[in-house]
Amino acid sequence: AQRVTQPEKLLSVFKGAPVELKCNYSYSGSPELFWYVQYSRQRLQLLLRHISRESIKGFTADLNKGETSFHLKKPFAQEEDSAMYYCAKGEDNAGNMLTFGGGTRLMVKP
Amino acid sequence: GAGVSQSPSNKVTEKGKDVELRCDPISGHTALYWYRQSLGQGLEFLIYFQGNSAPDKSGLPSDRFSAERTGGSVSTLTIQRTQQEDSAVYLCASSFGHGETQYFGPGTRLLVL
Repeated sequence: AQRVTQPEKLLSVFKGAPVELKCNYSYSGSPELFWYVQYSRQRLQLLLRHISRESIKGFTADLNKGETSFHLKKPFAQEEDSAMYYCAKGEDNAGNMLTFGGGTRLMVKP
Repeated sequence: GAGVSQSPSNKVTEKGKDVELRCDPISGHTALYWYRQSLGQGLEFLIYFQGNSAPDKSGLPSDRFSAERTGGSVSTLTIQRTQQEDSAVYLCASSFGHGETQYFGPGTRLLVL
């Protein structure tokens, strides 16, 4: 089965420090990858998707097919970035349903 | 505009009872998904509806789970004879169609005692 792996359950950094949330996937083709974020007491929402190659709230993610990774990065973390982050892959079928990683809780300390 | 809405927000039930969870997708979205978020399994896909096509039920964990979507809009997820392992947050998402961004509802938190 195709899988999405986020090796860190918790990542704690100080404000202003760089942050990298790791995501690896198992798939041999051209995957469609996403990062979703869930702030405290809010619903799950899309942060960015690799095909758009955007930078949202200072976050970027680059697809590395050789390493099968899609790590999320931000050069200077802010306290408001504290949230739960999920990496997800769109399935290559009619439904395009999402397969999620286990999530990483990011805590940005003042 | 209004996002995806779900009801109830919380549901406590006794083991063996049936429950119904409701999802109102964003108007105009033809695709609707149900996911489950539980401590042991993380976020997992349950079922997918697209327009009037037959649903993709490949993620349903047992035959106690079923879902329907009436008129291509509102969807109801039904769990029969609930078990304690069914306790989870049930999330609904909708999108304009295949490959489009999925927008999630706030979820229904189900607790089976």
